[in-house]
Amino acid sequence: KAGVTQTPRYLIKTRGQQVTLSCSPISGHRSVSWYQQTPGQGLQFLFEYFSETQRNKGNFPGRFSGRQFSNSRSEMNVSTLELGDSALYLCASSPGTSGRRDIQYFGAGTRLSVL
Amino acid sequence: DQQVKQNSPSLSVQEGRISILNCDYTNSMFDYFLWYKKYPAEGPTFLISISSIKDKNEDGRFTVFLNKSAKHLSLHIVPSQPGDSAVYFCAASANTGGFKTIFGAGTRLFVKA
Repeated sequence: KAGVTQTPRYLIKTRGQQVTLSCSPISGHRSVSWYQQTPGQGLQFLFEYFSETQRNKGNFPGRFSGRQFSNSRSEMNVSTLELGDSALYLCASSPGTSGRRDIQYFGAGTRLSVL
Repeated sequence: DQQVKQNSPSLSVQEGRISILNCDYTNSMFDYFLWYKKYPAEGPTFLISISSIKDKNEDGRFTVFLNKSAKHLSLHIVPSQPGDSAVYFCAASANTGGFKTIFGAGTRLFVKA
């Protein structure tokens, strides 16, 4: 079974630009969550999608948005990029059948650098 | 406001000895706790979890202890092996429906051969 795939792996953008990151979950998984990892901050929860609906949201500004498609693939968009958005963005999928007691399977992440 | 805190950024242990990684939380609504392990250039992988109705859960060399009154949990690895060298994240969640898992900042474990 293929794992969680995130594309691209690396991205360099400049301030003010926007960026879209993609996540393909494990086949059959219906829940996709996004996290931002920065040094010293651990993984900060962005949002979770289940069956194309945003089910939970973290404390990030509205510049961060996401969506999920009918095949469970998910995209995350960041508009008006700031230097502080430089981070590793991780996507995690889970079956979605046992809620938060499901095990989350993470992709390798997209490393975003904002110059 | 860090609701899940891992106060030790790093820990060094000799192979064969016990590794103890600690985690504190502040939100009394958290009732499910997990540990994830992360190697460089890979995403985190699930290690072990514990529900608040228990105070201990074991899986092979890994044991998680939960002290609800102290809002503290710990991960014990016995015996430690060089392959255990990784960053360990503590995570917690409350019953909000679906995932809203709060992670700590991580502890980097070095196991010396």
